[in-house]
Amino acid sequence: DTEVTQTPKHLVMGMTNKKSLKCEQHMGHRAMYWYKQKAKKPPELMFVYSYEKLSINESVPSRFSPECPNSSLLNLHLHALQPEDSALYLCASSLIQGAGNTIYFGEGSWLTVV
Amino acid sequence: AQSVTQLGSHVSVSEGALVLLRCNYSSSVPPYLFWYVQYPNQGLQLLLKYTSAATLVKGINGFEAEFKKSETSFHLTKPSAHMSDAAEYFCAVSDRSSSASKIIFGSGTRLSIRP
Repeated sequence: DTEVTQTPKHLVMGMTNKKSLKCEQHMGHRAMYWYKQKAKKPPELMFVYSYEKLSINESVPSRFSPECPNSSLLNLHLHALQPEDSALYLCASSLIQGAGNTIYFGEGSWLTVV
Repeated sequence: AQSVTQLGSHVSVSEGALVLLRCNYSSSVPPYLFWYVQYPNQGLQLLLKYTSAATLVKGINGFEAEFKKSETSFHLTKPSAHMSDAAEYFCAVSDRSSSASKIIFGSGTRLSIRP
């Protein structure tokens, strides 16, 4: 059962708000990812966690703050976002981090910043 | 650096016709290659993956792709299109020598199916 669950599916927030996106997987995967996808564009990697430690940060602004509380959960904390941050945020996981490992995606959280 | 090029941002075929979505990669060493599909308002779903075991890779929903090293291509095909195939398709590449699971996506091809 390959399933990555993301909540909420839709989020509208003001530029001064603090909110969080949540992601959960129960496949025993030890690598988890956050991607950002703008309309009609491919996903762009933001962060990679490997064994609950931050492995890759693709120079993402500090208003995005990832957190991996345990091997099944991944959060993305949002603060002082800009309207241009409105996008689909995709969580994903793979068995381990490494070339060739299949990455399984969740359905995404649609974020609108007003 | 690894990259993939998808020729054609939009492909339209009739229901029952052959689907051909093109993908070319740039790498001196054959990378891992993937095709993902994204239905409207959904996440990405893996269609198939090339690892080197076989050059013809069969995936879900009747799709398959053939790895051709001489052409640095990994085109996606389906013999007979169905209305439910309408979606965005992404070709992606992962460097074999990399310890990171960094997948580089192509720009995507939107597939439309005409009744």
